[in-house]
This record gives sequence, structure tokens and C-alpha cells, in this order.
Amino acid sequence: GEQVEQLPSSLIVQEGASVLINCSYTDSASVYFPWYKQEPGKRLQFIIDIRSNMERKQTQRLTLLFDKKTKHLSLHITATQPGDSAIYFCSASLGNYKPTFGKGTSLVVHP
Amino acid sequence: DMKVTQMPRYLIKRMGENVLLECGQDMSHETMYWYRQDPGLGLQLIYISYDVDSNSEGDIPKGYRVSRKKREHFSLILDSAKTNQTSVYFCASSLRDRDSEQFFGPGTRLTVL
Repeated sequence: GEQVEQLPSSLIVQEGASVLINCSYTDSASVYFPWYKQEPGKRLQFIIDIRSNMERKQTQRLTLLFDKKTKHLSLHITATQPGDSAIYFCSASLGNYKPTFGKGTSLVVHP
Repeated sequence: DMKVTQMPRYLIKRMGENVLLECGQDMSHETMYWYRQDPGLGLQLIYISYDVDSNSEGDIPKGYRVSRKKREHFSLILDSAKTNQTSVYFCASSLRDRDSEQFFGPGTRLTVL
């Protein structure tokens, strides 16, 4: 079945820095790639998604890049703030209601 | 206010006891999910419900069963709980579209002693 890998597993940065979270998947048939953020002790929240017919999507300080050929995604967060501290999850879906999640990337932003 | 709720939020049970976790949503979403989250493992899909009485196994269904008798409610049942079922359980819901953003509940932390 589909496997999703995220790197790095953790990041520690100073406020204002930019960060890059990488995600790779194995099943070329995956078509939908939502990302979620989980702040400490909180529920997962959707932050951005991309479909396999797109290469780039941007919302506020988030930019999501997708390379179908290499089966790779990158989430770029600019001008980080302490409120961005969370675990970020990449997921991949075949469009069959059964998404596969990565293990998460823990981001800590120091003020 | 669109939301997914879970009850209880915390639960301690002894091995062999039955466990009932409940999930509700007020968005009329057709599809609902149960996941477990363990440290360093991300989310693992236990069961999906496409609508009332239309359920399907996820990646790790063994030891669990589900019930959905109303669109807004989805229950996860552990018959004779085991210590390795200690985890945080998340419920989620989404629209019928097969590729839809999921809305998550706050989670239930279950400890099986």
C-alpha cells in the first residue's frame, strides 16, 4: 500500500526563519495531498492541499510544491512565528477515502 | 459552528473491559473516520464509514468494531480491551467527495491497564 515519508522529523528555528518540510510518497496513483497541523494537545487542522494536476499552491505564508515525476512534495513556511510551532503531517490519498499519513514533522519556533 | 466532538476525552480501563468511544459532527458529512495516533507513528486509519450502516476496514481494524446508526454519530468499540490499544483516538469527518479535507475531533486519550 501507499507509504508516506516526511523529513526532517523535527526542526528548531528562530522566529522569522523560513522552513522546508519534505514529503515523499510511493504510489503514483495518489491524487490528493492534504497537509494538517497539530498544535500541542490540540486536534489536527487542515492547512493546505494540492492535487496531482497542480505544481504549486500558495496561501499566506505557506507554499506547497508538488513534483509528480519524483513523487515529492515540499511545504515551505516563511516568516515563522511561535504560533507555527506544531507537528505538521503530510498525507496522500488515492481518492478512495483512505488517506495515508506521514509520521509528522515537529516544528519549534523560538521567539 | 462546524465541529467534530468526541466523548469521553480521557478514559482509563482495565484489560478485558469493553470500551465505547463516541464521535459526533454537525456538518452533515457523509464520511467519518476513526484513527489512532501513537508517538512517532503518525495517524493510522482504523475504520471508515461512508454513511449510515456503510462501514469499511482501514489499515488496522483488528480488535476494533464500529457502529453508525445516524449520519452525525460514529462509535468505536473495543471488545475486551488490550494494553496495546492504549493510544489517542481521533475521529474525523469529511464530505462525500473522495478527496476531501477532513475535520478532526479533539481526540480521546485511552489508557488500558
